[in-house]
Amino acid sequence: QSVLTQPPSASGTPGQRVTISCSGSSSNIGSNYVYWYQQLPGTAPKLLIYRNNQRPSGVPDRFSGSKSGTSASLAISGLRSEDEADYYCAAWDDSLSAHWVFGGGTKLTVL
Amino acid sequence: HVQLVESGGGVVQPGRSLRLSCAASGFTFSSYGMHWVRQAPGKGLEWVAVIWYDGSNKYYADSVKGRFTISRDNSKNTLYLQMNSLRAEDTAVYYCARVGGSYSDPRETEFDPWGQGTLVTVSS
Repeated sequence: QSVLTQPPSASGTPGQRVTISCSGSSSNIGSNYVYWYQQLPGTAPKLLIYRNNQRPSGVPDRFSGSKSGTSASLAISGLRSEDEADYYCAAWDDSLSAHWVFGGGTKLTVL
Repeated sequence: HVQLVESGGGVVQPGRSLRLSCAASGFTFSSYGMHWVRQAPGKGLEWVAVIWYDGSNKYYADSVKGRFTISRDNSKNTLYLQMNSLRAEDTAVYYCARVGGSYSDPRETEFDPWGQGTLVTVSS
């Protein structure tokens, strides 16, 4: 059971907009930045969104992040076949055993 | 070109030890904190440990605390993970990842980039 909760799967057709949610608590998302990572099949994870809503250079503006309270979401607009991947949210957790936490991951399928 | 290359993975019996290495190049290694993150077969990402750029601070996941030790040798541009008392549930691909900014606090900075990973299999 992951500390951050994501839906296990999501899907959409090319050109559609999809959103992936990430739910946490006051000790992680509620008080720290949220990050999103994309893992294409058979490859290492890659940074997609940092500090809630910032895009690294090279990441298309079709990807956007937002945070409200103890939840965050990743939106992908203009869905493309190459977006089919696993997506993970992450945040630092300030609880007694301070540590980084990841969501369980969401497998995005482009139909 | 920033590059992180993990090595040292393999098959090991339960209760034994293994040391992973992560060779860094293309950036000033001594200015960046570093993480280890693992991924069990078919499962999600699990953070393992982090070390500050100068080795002054270290944090561990509860699942590995007391068994794993993260360390670094800035003169060799190399990050290490000493894994003792290995268990079947430690079987995973182990990734090293750099803290996103130089001299940044690893608690509020992204993991970027990641290495390609090395597979550790704990089995008798």
